[in-house]
Amino acid sequence: QQQVKQSPQSLIVQKGGISIINCAYENTAFDYFPWYQQFPGKGPALLIAIRPDVSEKKEGRFTISFNKSAKQFSLHIMDSQPGDSATYFCAAQTGANNLFFGTGTRLTVIP
Amino acid sequence: DVKVTQSSRYLVKRTGEKVFLECVQDMDHENMFWYRQDPGLGLRLIYFSYDVKMKEKGDIPEGYSVSREKKERFSLILESASTNQTSMYLCASSLIGQGRANEQFFGPGTRLTVL
Repeated sequence: QQQVKQSPQSLIVQKGGISIINCAYENTAFDYFPWYQQFPGKGPALLIAIRPDVSEKKEGRFTISFNKSAKQFSLHIMDSQPGDSATYFCAAQTGANNLFFGTGTRLTVIP
Repeated sequence: DVKVTQSSRYLVKRTGEKVFLECVQDMDHENMFWYRQDPGLGLRLIYFSYDVKMKEKGDIPEGYSVSREKKERFSLILESASTNQTSMYLCASSLIGQGRANEQFFGPGTRLTVL
C-alpha cells in the first residue's frame, strides 16, 4: 500500500516553463514532507522540505505548495532548465520515523 | 563532505548465488537503510538499522538479510539470489532526529542483475 501517491510518472517541459509534480497522502500524522532529487547514476539528495504549519516554502526556483486540508503537496520548478532533468521523489515522515517515498517523477526539460 | 559509498556500481550474479552488498558511511550516523529502486515503484525500504547489531524489517524484507557489525558499515545479503531481485539497490544513512535533522544521505547505488 503506497503511503504517498505521486504523479505524473513522467513529465516533459520546455526550457523556461514551469514543472509541477503532485503528491497526496492519507496519514494525518505525517509532519515533514521532503522532496529528493536524483540525477542519473547518482543517489537521491534532499532538495527542499516543508512542515505542515506553512502553506508554501520557496528556495530559489523551487517551491513546495502544501494543502493540509486536501492532504496534498506539490513541487513547482519555475523557469525549468535542462540541468533540472532528473527524477524527483516526494516523501513523508512522522517524528523521527522512517521516510515514506512516492513512486518518483522523471522530469525532462527540453531546450 | 558527507559520503556514503557502496562496494560495487554494477554486479552480475547467477540464480542461487549468495550476494553481499556493502555500504560504508563516514558521517558517524546512527541510522542506515537499504532500499531497492524499481521503475514505477519508487524507493522501497528493505531493512534499516538504528544502531550497531540492531536491525528492523522494512516493507519488503523477504529474501534479504542484513548485518551491522560496525557503526559505519551496513551490509545487505541476498541468501539465494533470484531473478526478481534484479534491481538498483540504494544505501542511505542519517542521524537520529526529526525533520531536516533526519535527512537521508544516499550512496550512488548498485545495479544488480541476477541471471
